[in-house]
Amino acid sequence: DSGVTQTPKHLITATGQRVTLRCSPRSGDLSVYWYQQSLDQGLQFLIQYYNGEERAKGNILERFSAQQFPDLHSELNLSSLELGDSALYFCASSVGGSKDEQFFGPGTRLTVL
Amino acid sequence: AQKVTQAQTEISVVEKEDVTLDCVYETRDTTYYLFWYKQPPSGELVFLIRRNSFDEQNEISGRYSWNFQKSTSSFNFTITASQVVDSAVYFCALPGAGSYQLTFGKGTKLSVIP
Repeated sequence: DSGVTQTPKHLITATGQRVTLRCSPRSGDLSVYWYQQSLDQGLQFLIQYYNGEERAKGNILERFSAQQFPDLHSELNLSSLELGDSALYFCASSVGGSKDEQFFGPGTRLTVL
Repeated sequence: AQKVTQAQTEISVVEKEDVTLDCVYETRDTTYYLFWYKQPPSGELVFLIRRNSFDEQNEISGRYSWNFQKSTSSFNFTITASQVVDSAVYFCALPGAGSYQLTFGKGTKLSVIP
Protein backbone atom coordinates (compact mmCIF):
# COMPACT_ATOMS: atom_id res chain seq x y z
CA ASP A 1 0.00 0.00 0.00
CA SER A 2 1.60 3.24 -1.19
CA GLY A 3 -0.50 5.47 1.05
CA VAL A 4 -2.04 7.24 -1.94
CA THR A 5 -5.77 6.71 -2.30
CA GLN A 6 -7.90 7.12 -5.38
CA THR A 7 -11.62 6.93 -5.86
CA PRO A 8 -13.49 5.50 -7.56
CA LYS A 9 -11.65 2.36 -8.58
CA HIS A 10 -13.80 1.84 -11.65
CA LEU A 11 -15.97 4.24 -13.59
CA ILE A 12 -18.18 3.47 -16.55
CA THR A 13 -19.87 6.32 -18.34
CA ALA A 14 -21.12 7.42 -21.73
CA THR A 15 -19.66 9.70 -24.36
CA GLY A 16 -20.29 13.36 -23.73
CA GLN A 17 -20.48 12.96 -19.97
CA ARG A 18 -18.34 14.52 -17.28
CA VAL A 19 -16.60 12.69 -14.43
CA THR A 20 -14.45 13.60 -11.44
CA LEU A 21 -11.60 11.47 -10.17
CA ARG A 22 -10.35 12.01 -6.66
CA CYS A 23 -6.93 11.52 -5.11
CA SER A 24 -5.58 11.83 -1.58
CA PRO A 25 -1.79 11.99 -1.36
CA ARG A 26 0.41 10.34 1.22
CA SER A 27 0.58 12.15 4.51
CA GLY A 28 3.23 14.85 4.28
CA ASP A 29 3.46 14.90 0.49
CA LEU A 30 2.89 18.28 -1.10
CA SER A 31 3.05 17.31 -4.77
CA VAL A 32 0.29 15.53 -6.64
CA TYR A 33 0.66 14.28 -10.19
CA TRP A 34 -1.88 12.86 -12.60
CA TYR A 35 -0.96 10.33 -15.27
CA GLN A 36 -2.96 8.58 -17.96
CA GLN A 37 -2.14 5.05 -19.03
CA SER A 38 -3.57 3.75 -22.28
CA LEU A 39 -2.53 0.88 -24.51
CA ASP A 40 -1.48 3.08 -27.41
CA GLN A 41 0.09 6.02 -25.55
CA GLY A 42 1.59 4.28 -22.56
CA LEU A 43 2.04 6.22 -19.33
CA GLN A 44 1.69 9.94 -19.94
CA PHE A 45 1.97 12.81 -17.54
CA LEU A 46 -1.04 15.08 -17.42
CA ILE A 47 -0.53 17.69 -14.73
CA GLN A 48 1.20 18.39 -11.42
CA TYR A 49 0.24 20.47 -8.40
CA TYR A 50 2.45 21.52 -5.57
CA ASN A 51 0.89 22.77 -2.35
CA GLY A 52 -2.23 23.94 -4.13
CA GLU A 53 -0.61 25.53 -7.16
CA GLU A 54 -0.26 24.17 -10.66
CA ARG A 55 3.41 23.41 -11.24
CA ALA A 56 3.65 21.60 -14.57
CA LYS A 57 1.43 20.62 -17.44
CA GLY A 58 1.89 17.74 -19.82
CA ASN A 59 -0.30 16.27 -22.51
CA ILE A 60 -3.53 17.31 -20.88
CA LEU A 61 -6.50 17.99 -23.12
CA GLU A 62 -8.45 21.23 -22.77
CA ARG A 63 -11.48 19.12 -21.83
CA PHE A 64 -9.58 17.99 -18.74
CA SER A 65 -8.87 20.11 -15.69
CA ALA A 66 -7.56 19.53 -12.20
CA GLN A 67 -7.14 21.26 -8.90
CA GLN A 68 -5.53 20.68 -5.54
CA PHE A 69 -7.42 21.73 -2.46
CA PRO A 70 -6.12 23.24 0.81
CA ASP A 71 -6.16 19.80 2.43
CA LEU A 72 -3.92 18.70 -0.47
CA HIS A 73 -6.32 16.25 -2.02
CA SER A 74 -6.73 16.62 -5.75
CA GLU A 75 -9.46 16.13 -8.30
CA LEU A 76 -9.18 15.51 -12.01
CA ASN A 77 -12.22 16.56 -14.02
CA LEU A 78 -12.81 15.03 -17.43
CA SER A 79 -15.59 16.48 -19.56
CA SER A 80 -17.16 15.88 -22.96
CA LEU A 81 -15.82 12.38 -22.72
CA GLU A 82 -14.87 10.48 -25.85
CA LEU A 83 -14.25 6.79 -26.43
CA GLY A 84 -10.53 7.49 -26.60
CA ASP A 85 -10.51 8.79 -23.04
CA SER A 86 -10.96 5.25 -21.77
CA ALA A 87 -7.81 4.57 -19.79
CA LEU A 88 -6.31 3.98 -16.39
CA TYR A 89 -5.78 7.26 -14.55
CA PHE A 90 -3.14 7.32 -11.87
CA CYS A 91 -2.50 9.82 -9.18
CA ALA A 92 0.95 9.98 -7.59
CA SER A 93 2.39 12.03 -4.78
CA SER A 94 5.84 13.02 -3.63
CA VAL A 95 7.35 15.18 -0.95
CA GLY A 96 8.64 17.76 -3.39
CA GLY A 97 10.07 17.71 -6.88
CA SER A 98 11.80 15.63 -9.47
CA LYS A 99 14.41 14.11 -7.19
CA ASP A 100 11.79 12.56 -4.96
CA GLU A 101 10.25 9.22 -5.67
CA GLN A 102 6.62 9.37 -6.65
CA PHE A 103 4.25 6.96 -5.01
CA PHE A 104 1.29 5.91 -7.07
CA GLY A 105 -2.28 5.25 -6.11
CA PRO A 106 -4.15 2.16 -7.32
CA GLY A 107 -5.61 4.03 -10.28
CA THR A 108 -9.10 4.69 -11.59
CA ARG A 109 -10.11 2.67 -14.61
CA LEU A 110 -12.37 4.80 -16.79
CA THR A 111 -14.46 3.18 -19.47
CA VAL A 112 -16.35 5.42 -21.87
CA LEU A 113 -19.08 3.65 -23.82
CA ALA B 1 13.82 16.46 -24.30
CA GLN B 2 14.04 13.53 -21.97
CA LYS B 3 13.62 10.12 -23.49
CA VAL B 4 13.55 6.61 -22.07
CA THR B 5 13.84 3.55 -24.29
CA GLN B 6 13.00 0.06 -23.20
CA ALA B 7 13.68 -1.94 -26.31
CA GLN B 8 12.42 -5.24 -24.91
CA THR B 9 8.66 -5.27 -25.24
CA GLU B 10 8.11 -8.74 -23.78
CA ILE B 11 10.36 -11.30 -22.15
CA SER B 12 9.52 -14.82 -21.02
CA VAL B 13 11.73 -16.82 -18.73
CA VAL B 14 11.40 -20.05 -16.83
CA GLU B 15 11.30 -19.78 -13.06
CA LYS B 16 14.72 -19.56 -11.39
CA GLU B 17 16.36 -18.10 -14.47
CA ASP B 18 18.08 -14.74 -14.26
CA VAL B 19 16.72 -11.95 -16.44
CA THR B 20 17.93 -8.46 -17.30
CA LEU B 21 15.65 -5.65 -18.36
CA ASP B 22 17.30 -2.92 -20.39
CA CYS B 23 16.79 0.81 -20.08
CA VAL B 24 18.52 3.48 -22.15
CA TYR B 25 17.87 7.12 -21.49
CA GLU B 26 18.57 10.52 -23.03
CA THR B 27 18.91 13.70 -21.04
CA ARG B 28 20.74 17.00 -21.28
CA ASP B 29 20.80 17.41 -17.54
CA THR B 30 24.18 16.97 -15.88
CA THR B 31 22.61 15.64 -12.71
CA TYR B 32 19.47 13.59 -12.69
CA TYR B 33 17.64 10.72 -11.11
CA LEU B 34 16.47 7.46 -12.61
CA PHE B 35 13.63 5.27 -11.42
CA TRP B 36 12.23 1.79 -11.89
CA TYR B 37 8.62 0.90 -11.26
CA LYS B 38 6.79 -2.42 -11.34
CA GLN B 39 3.20 -2.86 -12.50
CA PRO B 40 1.87 -6.30 -11.55
CA PRO B 41 -1.28 -7.71 -13.19
CA SER B 42 -3.37 -6.08 -10.47
CA GLY B 43 -2.50 -2.73 -12.06
CA GLU B 44 -0.90 -0.59 -9.39
CA LEU B 45 2.50 1.00 -9.94
CA VAL B 46 5.06 0.03 -7.34
CA PHE B 47 8.20 2.06 -6.76
CA LEU B 48 11.36 -0.08 -6.86
CA ILE B 49 14.39 2.18 -6.89
CA ARG B 50 15.64 5.74 -7.32
CA ARG B 51 19.17 6.31 -8.52
CA ASN B 52 21.25 9.49 -8.47
CA SER B 53 23.45 10.11 -11.51
CA PHE B 54 26.36 10.89 -9.17
CA ASP B 55 26.44 7.34 -7.93
CA GLU B 56 27.42 4.71 -10.50
CA GLN B 57 27.84 1.89 -8.04
CA ASN B 58 25.64 -1.11 -8.63
CA GLU B 59 22.79 -1.53 -6.20
CA ILE B 60 21.49 -4.81 -4.91
CA SER B 61 18.29 -5.45 -3.01
CA GLY B 62 17.62 -9.11 -2.44
CA ARG B 63 17.14 -10.75 -5.82
CA TYR B 64 17.06 -7.38 -7.56
CA SER B 65 20.10 -5.52 -8.79
CA TRP B 66 20.63 -2.44 -10.90
CA ASN B 67 23.55 -1.57 -13.14
CA PHE B 68 23.92 2.13 -13.89
CA GLN B 69 26.41 3.10 -16.59
CA LYS B 70 26.57 6.78 -17.35
CA SER B 71 28.95 6.24 -20.28
CA THR B 72 26.31 4.28 -22.16
CA SER B 73 23.29 6.07 -20.64
CA SER B 74 21.91 2.80 -19.40
CA PHE B 75 20.22 1.74 -16.19
CA ASN B 76 19.58 -1.97 -16.43
CA PHE B 77 17.64 -4.08 -13.98
CA THR B 78 18.44 -7.71 -13.22
CA ILE B 79 16.26 -10.20 -11.39
CA THR B 80 18.17 -13.20 -10.09
CA ALA B 81 16.43 -16.56 -9.68
CA SER B 82 13.16 -15.21 -11.04
CA GLN B 83 9.87 -16.21 -9.47
CA VAL B 84 6.32 -16.29 -10.78
CA VAL B 85 5.49 -13.29 -8.58
CA ASP B 86 7.99 -11.26 -10.61
CA SER B 87 5.63 -11.42 -13.59
CA ALA B 88 4.73 -7.81 -14.28
CA VAL B 89 5.39 -4.86 -16.54
CA TYR B 90 8.51 -2.98 -15.51
CA PHE B 91 8.98 0.69 -16.29
CA CYS B 92 12.11 2.78 -16.29
CA ALA B 93 11.56 6.52 -15.78
CA LEU B 94 13.41 9.82 -15.78
CA PRO B 95 12.21 13.23 -14.52
CA GLY B 96 11.43 15.74 -17.21
CA ALA B 97 13.96 18.46 -17.96
CA GLY B 98 13.45 21.39 -15.63
CA SER B 99 10.19 20.03 -14.35
CA TYR B 100 8.86 17.45 -12.02
CA GLN B 101 6.91 14.84 -13.89
CA LEU B 102 8.31 11.47 -14.84
CA THR B 103 8.93 10.43 -18.42
CA PHE B 104 8.34 6.70 -18.65
CA GLY B 105 9.62 4.14 -21.09
CA LYS B 106 7.07 1.94 -22.84
CA GLY B 107 7.70 -0.82 -20.33
CA THR B 108 8.89 -4.41 -20.55
CA LYS B 109 6.39 -7.16 -19.84
CA LEU B 110 8.08 -9.99 -17.97
CA SER B 111 6.42 -13.38 -17.79
CA VAL B 112 7.94 -15.94 -15.47
CA ILE B 113 6.77 -19.43 -16.33
CA PRO B 114 6.65 -22.03 -13.57
